[in-house]
Amino acid sequence: TQLLEQSPQFLSIQEGENLTVYCNSSSVFSSLQWYRQEPGEGPVLLVTVVTGGEVKKLKRLTFQFGDARKDSSLHITAAQPGDTGLYLCAGHNYGQNFVFGPGTRLSVLP
Amino acid sequence: SAVISQKPSRDICQRGTSLTIQCQVDSQVTMMFWYRQQPGQSLTLIATANQGSEATYESGFVIDKFPISRPNLTFSTLTVSNMSPEDSSIYLCSVEGPLRWETQYFGPGTRLLVL
Repeated sequence: TQLLEQSPQFLSIQEGENLTVYCNSSSVFSSLQWYRQEPGEGPVLLVTVVTGGEVKKLKRLTFQFGDARKDSSLHITAAQPGDTGLYLCAGHNYGQNFVFGPGTRLSVLP
Repeated sequence: SAVISQKPSRDICQRGTSLTIQCQVDSQVTMMFWYRQQPGQSLTLIATANQGSEATYESGFVIDKFPISRPNLTFSTLTVSNMSPEDSSIYLCSVEGPLRWETQYFGPGTRLLVL
């Protein structure tokens, strides 16, 4: 069974701080996605990474896929209250179901 | 990206009743998925719905409890049958990206409270 772990589980920071969220597995995935879910909404796709070692930037968010395609990180620079939400990573292999991590609940205080 | 709508957005139901949740996509998609997200938890896949065939259920979920219809390539329904308070959850439908099979797009969810 493929499993994804995320750390930390909860994170509360002040506006302007930087943070990193981790997603780890013992399994290899052909792709990995990061989603953000705000209260009362469905998860919204932030990024898909497919190449080992790949780094993608989305404004203040930087995503990295591990060389072995077993782990990923999400780094947020100068966090803002609008970044508050549940961050989910999901791994996928072709022909198989998506595997979701337990999520990191981020709270950015003004 | 696909645009997905769900109805109802929320409901409060009595124990023993059933609720049917609708999911509409703005483009034709092969595979649609139904997930459950219990309070404060991550997503658990209930079943995969392909048009023209029986849904495929994950371990712990059965067709009698969660019957699914998929009459065409843009629509699906999930029924939560004979509800109990343990069924109180957010129910989400999703689709694989039309251009990228390794991506999923989610609807806004249906928040269900069973009393």
